[in-house]
Amino acid sequence: AQSVTQLGSHVSVSEGALVLLRCNYSSSVPPYLFWYVQYPNQGLQLLLKYTSAATLVKGINGFEAEFKKSETSFHLTKPSAHMSDAAEYFCAVSEGDTDKLIFGTGTRLQVFP
Amino acid sequence: EAQVTQNPRYLITVTGKKLTVTCSQNMNHEYMSWYRQDPGLGLRQIYYSMNVEVTDKGDVPEGYKVSRKEKRNFPLILESPSPNQTSLYFCASRQRQVYEQYFGPGTRLTVT
Repeated sequence: AQSVTQLGSHVSVSEGALVLLRCNYSSSVPPYLFWYVQYPNQGLQLLLKYTSAATLVKGINGFEAEFKKSETSFHLTKPSAHMSDAAEYFCAVSEGDTDKLIFGTGTRLQVFP
Repeated sequence: EAQVTQNPRYLITVTGKKLTVTCSQNMNHEYMSWYRQDPGLGLRQIYYSMNVEVTDKGDVPEGYKVSRKEKRNFPLILESPSPNQTSLYFCASRQRQVYEQYFGPGTRLTVT
């Protein structure tokens, strides 16, 4: 069965600092991987996705993630944090035709001035 | 504008009083799903539908019903709500063979 682990339920960074949110997955088949962002009182918005093309995936708002099969990881990064990046971030793996997204438990990002 | 809409956005109800949360998408997507979000648990799938009249259970289906009579609509029904169904609910849709899901804005349900 597929699963997703997000290390760190809370991450705090200073404005302008590197953002690194960790995600590890387990899957018996080549996975489709996603990062979603949830701003307060809003729904989930897709940041980026990996679907077996390039291993370095660029998303919206300056975020990117690298698929590393050997490490079963899909960590999310952004070189320079902005106050507007404060939100909750979810990593997810797709279970194909069952239409299920398996979500991690989320990481809340705080950005301090 | 392509979107998934849910109604109501907020609902407070009492134990045992039947309720329906509506979900509608205007993107002609085949697949639709319902998730619930609880603190520390992330999102968990309740039910999903691959097409009209085709539905199946997700990870946490107990206490919920769904129907898919039209492609665009996928209502979530709680026949006899209980306090443990207090949660934030999301509807999502996607195209077949495109694994990116589009989410609605969420419905915050409180059952007292």
